[in-house]
Amino acid sequence: EAGVTQFPSHSVIEKGQTVTLRCDPISGHDNLYWYRRVMGKEIKFLLHFVKESKQDESGMPNNRFLAERTGGTYSTLKVQPAELEDSGVYFCASSHEETQYFGPGTRLLVL
Amino acid sequence: QKEVEQNSGPLSVPEGAIASLNCTYSDRGSQSFFWYRQYSGKSPELIMSIYSNGDKEDGRFTAQLNKASQYVSLLIRDSQPSDSATYLCAVKIPGTYKYIFGTGTRLKVLA
Repeated sequence: EAGVTQFPSHSVIEKGQTVTLRCDPISGHDNLYWYRRVMGKEIKFLLHFVKESKQDESGMPNNRFLAERTGGTYSTLKVQPAELEDSGVYFCASSHEETQYFGPGTRLLVL
Repeated sequence: QKEVEQNSGPLSVPEGAIASLNCTYSDRGSQSFFWYRQYSGKSPELIMSIYSNGDKEDGRFTAQLNKASQYVSLLIRDSQPSDSATYLCAVKIPGTYKYIFGTGTRLKVLA
């Protein structure tokens, strides 16, 4: 069974540009999550989808971040415009019930 | 006080010894606890979940939960150099699917 996959693995962009991160969950997992880890800090929750619906987006930092999950399969997380403090590792996770399985992350560097 | 606290380490143990990793949490209502292992640059990998007070064993790993004292620990018996990684403690917020992570403890097993 394939695990959670994320694309790209790395992204380097300039402040003010737009970046879109993609996550493909484990097949059959209705729950999909985005988390972020900034340098030296803990992994922090961003939001939770159940199928295509946003169940909890309490961790989204501001309206520069937009997450979508059209069709309830893969998800995208767009940052527009990117700021320096958005740099970090963005993890996606998926679950059938409450145990979450994580992808390898996208390392984002905003210069 | 942080919601989930871990000693950042590094915790160094000789090969073959028992490594003991600790985690405390602040929400007394928490019911679900998870240990993840993360190698540098890789995805967090689930090792154990624990829900009831006491010990839960899986191979060389034992998770221990004490809800009265609000701590959860992970013991690794017969530590191997391949166990060298960062170990993340995660606590699920009751009534949600959101995890709160500690900053992780870096374990070094010395050959």
